[in-house]
Amino acid sequence: GAVVSQHPSWVICKSGTSVKIECRSLDFQATTMFWYRQFPKQSLMLMATSNEGSKATYEQGVEKDKFLINHASLTLSTLTVTSAHPEDSSFYICSASLTSGDYNEQFFGPGTRLTVL
Amino acid sequence: SQKIEQNSEALNIQEGKTATLTCNYTNYSPAYLQWYRQDPGRGPVFLLLIRENEKEKRKERLKVTFDTTLKQSLFHITASQPADSATYLCALVGDYKLSFGAGTTVTVRA
Repeated sequence: GAVVSQHPSWVICKSGTSVKIECRSLDFQATTMFWYRQFPKQSLMLMATSNEGSKATYEQGVEKDKFLINHASLTLSTLTVTSAHPEDSSFYICSASLTSGDYNEQFFGPGTRLTVL
Repeated sequence: SQKIEQNSEALNIQEGKTATLTCNYTNYSPAYLQWYRQDPGRGPVFLLLIRENEKEKRKERLKVTFDTTLKQSLFHITASQPADSATYLCALVGDYKLSFGAGTTVTVRA
C-alpha cells in the first residue's frame, strides 16, 4: 500500500514553455503533498507544501509564480513550471503524507526528470 | 545556519562487510530522524525511522543509532550485498517537514 505515482517520468521541453507534472496517491487519501527538487549529487530540497483545497506554502527562495501548485483533490497535486528555462532542468519529486500514529509519514513518487533545452 | 552532513559522498566495501554511514546535524532539534534509500533516477524509499528518545532501531540487516547529544545518527548495513548498492539519505523531521542530507553512495563489490 501507500503508492505514489508521478507523470510524466521524464519530459524535454523548449525554453519558454510550461510543463505540468502530476503527483497521485494511488491507494490512500493525502491531505498534504510535498514537492522537492534535486540537482545531481545534491540533496532533495523542499520547494513547497501543498494542502488539499488551499494555497501551497512555498519555501524561501522558491518563486510561487514560476512554480504553480494545485492540490484539487485528496489524491492529486500538480506542479506547473511556467516559462521554463535551462536552469529549471532538474529531478522533481513529490511525496504524499499519511498520518501514522503520532507521525505524518511521507511516501515518495518515482520522480520526474525535466530537461529544458 | 542549519546543516545536515553525511560523512562521505561515496563508500566502497567488499560484499559481506558492514557499511557504516554517518549523519551529523547542527541547529536542528528533530523529533525523528529517518534513513532512505535512493536508486539512480528514482525517488527515495523509506527504510527506518528513529525517535529522539530511542537509542537504536533495527530492521533485518539494517541498524540505526541516534545520539541527540552528539547530534549524530549512524546507519549500518551488515552482511552487505551488491544489491545494497545505492545512495542512502538521512532526513530530519521537524514541523511536519523533511530536511535531507546530500547522501552517501554505497557500492558493494562482489
